[in-house]
Amino acid sequence: DVKVTQSSRYLVKRTGEKVFLECVQDMDHENMFWYRQDPGLGLRLIYFSYDVKMKEKGDIPEGYSVSREKKERFSLILESASTNQTSMYLCASSKQGRNEKLFFGSGTQLSVL
Amino acid sequence: AQSVTQLGSHVSVSEGALVLLRCNYSSSVPPYLFWYVQYPNQGLQLLLKYTTGATLVKGINGFEAEFKKSETSFHLTKPSAHMSDAAEYFCAVIPYSGAGSYQLTFGKGTKLSVIP
Repeated sequence: DVKVTQSSRYLVKRTGEKVFLECVQDMDHENMFWYRQDPGLGLRLIYFSYDVKMKEKGDIPEGYSVSREKKERFSLILESASTNQTSMYLCASSKQGRNEKLFFGSGTQLSVL
Repeated sequence: AQSVTQLGSHVSVSEGALVLLRCNYSSSVPPYLFWYVQYPNQGLQLLLKYTTGATLVKGINGFEAEFKKSETSFHLTKPSAHMSDAAEYFCAVIPYSGAGSYQLTFGKGTKLSVIP
């Protein structure tokens, strides 16, 4: 069964900490995405990557960075966590192509105190 | 630029009743259209998608959606709701051509409740 795995289901961090969210896919997909999901706001794209070491900003990249050193792994980094980054973070992957479906991980609920 | 509007953040239906979840889009070029579903404590999964060809698209779990270009709509329907359909549903759009990124734009979601 195809899988997108996010390293943590729940995470609690302090304001100012550096936070790493990890995502691994086993489908050899070219594209990988990081979204945040907030009640009433739907999903908003933070960053995506269409190849190793390649990335593009999404709608809300401020306060975040990403790393893709290997095809199967896409990391989201919060350089200095803030309370307004408390959210559900969803990773997804897809084949190349605009009409390809996204496969999502189960999400990481991050709380920044 | 593209945007997606889902009418109604919450919809309640009785078990066995028709499910209708509304989605309207705006896009500068013809789009690909998607419906995703999110069950509690899970990630999203694809219900169905419209790319080209037949405008009535059938998906999993008995859902279908019709692309109406003149109305810029892609409403999701199911003839008879089941308790297991209770979830949050997201409409999404991406232009099928043009320069630029693979950025899928999601609506804000509609939570479906099914009343026994």
